[in-house]
Amino acid sequence: GQQLNQSPQSMFIQEGEDVSMNCTSSSIFNTWLWYKQDPGEGPVLLIALYKAGELTSNGRLTAQFGITRKDSFLNISASIPSDVGIYFCAGRVVDYKLSFGAGTTVTVRA
Amino acid sequence: SQTIHQWPATLVQPVGSPLSLECTVEGTSNPNLYWYRQAAGRGLQLLFYSVGIGQISSEVPQNLSASRPQDRQFILSSKKLLLSDSGFYLCAWSLWDRKNTEAFFGQGTRLTVV
Repeated sequence: GQQLNQSPQSMFIQEGEDVSMNCTSSSIFNTWLWYKQDPGEGPVLLIALYKAGELTSNGRLTAQFGITRKDSFLNISASIPSDVGIYFCAGRVVDYKLSFGAGTTVTVRA
Repeated sequence: SQTIHQWPATLVQPVGSPLSLECTVEGTSNPNLYWYRQAAGRGLQLLFYSVGIGQISSEVPQNLSASRPQDRQFILSSKKLLLSDSGFYLCAWSLWDRKNTEAFFGQGTRLTVV
């Protein structure tokens, strides 16, 4: 499948901070999705992006579909403790499968 | 609304024993169904997907198999588990038309092979 590079691999957040993560691909994608996974749970869809240049918000979350269609970013504004978890990007080309990034683990800084 | 059920939530099995994990979807017809595995601290690896009853595509050759006996039922099996089969198994569904590409996940099964 297509290779998705997600960064950073992990990050520490302080409550109130804005955080950002991104995904890049060597292939062009038609769709970008962002998921969040809490420990021991299945990933939950946060935002879906379908058009190049599209900027979509879901509460404190904002995601963009890159103009080149090879990248996407997710921003979390004013982070809170429940934002901790693993965030995954996923992209679709044309078949029935999604390719997932390796995930960004978000942890609260003590 | 659509829901996806996956069970069991946790499973400890000895090496060499068989495996059967079940996933069912409610509230939709003819979904695409997927099995993923997630190793500890890692991303999601697609194992199998199905676009219809009896239609199974395998992504990674391994010790596991999948079956879809009914439209909304997807089963992951093994005849003899290996230690390396341990992991977090996730079932997912999608409708996959021109507009909708989102996949929705079950709660997962934590499998430990001992």
